[in-house]
Amino acid sequence: KQEVTQIPAALSVPEGENLVLNCSFTDSAIYNLQWFRQDPGKGLTSLLLIQSSQREQTSGRLNASLDKSSGRSTLYIAASQPGDSATYLCAVRLGDDKIIFGKGTRLHILP
Amino acid sequence: DAGITQSPRYKITETGRQVTLMCHQTWSHSYMFWYRQDLGHGLRLIYYSAAADITDKGEVPDGYVVSRSKTENFPLTLESATRSQTSVYFCASSSGQSSYNEQFFGPGTRLTVL
Repeated sequence: KQEVTQIPAALSVPEGENLVLNCSFTDSAIYNLQWFRQDPGKGLTSLLLIQSSQREQTSGRLNASLDKSSGRSTLYIAASQPGDSATYLCAVRLGDDKIIFGKGTRLHILP
Repeated sequence: DAGITQSPRYKITETGRQVTLMCHQTWSHSYMFWYRQDLGHGLRLIYYSAAADITDKGEVPDGYVVSRSKTENFPLTLESATRSQTSVYFCASSSGQSSYNEQFFGPGTRLTVL
């Protein structure tokens, strides 16, 4: 059974720092992996999608990497800002179209 | 409006009542999904649909029923609501198994079962 883990559950960093969020999964047979952010009381906003054949994707200050063989993905946020404060979720899509989410990392950027 | 919408946004009901949560998308995406989000459990897949008239169970389908007679709509019904079904429900859609199969989420429905 596929399990997705995000560590740490919460993280606080000073504004301006670069940071890395981690996502690990137990079964490497994934179709893709997607990173989302969720603001309190809101829905999910898609950040980056990495197909199983890709190694990384970039959007602005965000860079996501994927290493299927080790079952890991990282989300790198450069030059963090207070507006980056949110919960970040990763999700893997399996071959049967089921999607499994991690429980998220709650990020707080200190002004 | 374009996008994915859910209704109602908030619902309070009583144990044993039937409740239907609506989801509508305007992109003609083939895939649609229902999730529930609970503290300590994160997001869990309830049901999903690959196309009209095709539905499959996710991780936590018990107590829920779905249908998909039209591509754009994917209602979720709680046939006899229980307190354990108090949760925030999210609907999502994606275009299918291609390089554009990013998932897009609706704003959620907060359901309270008394």
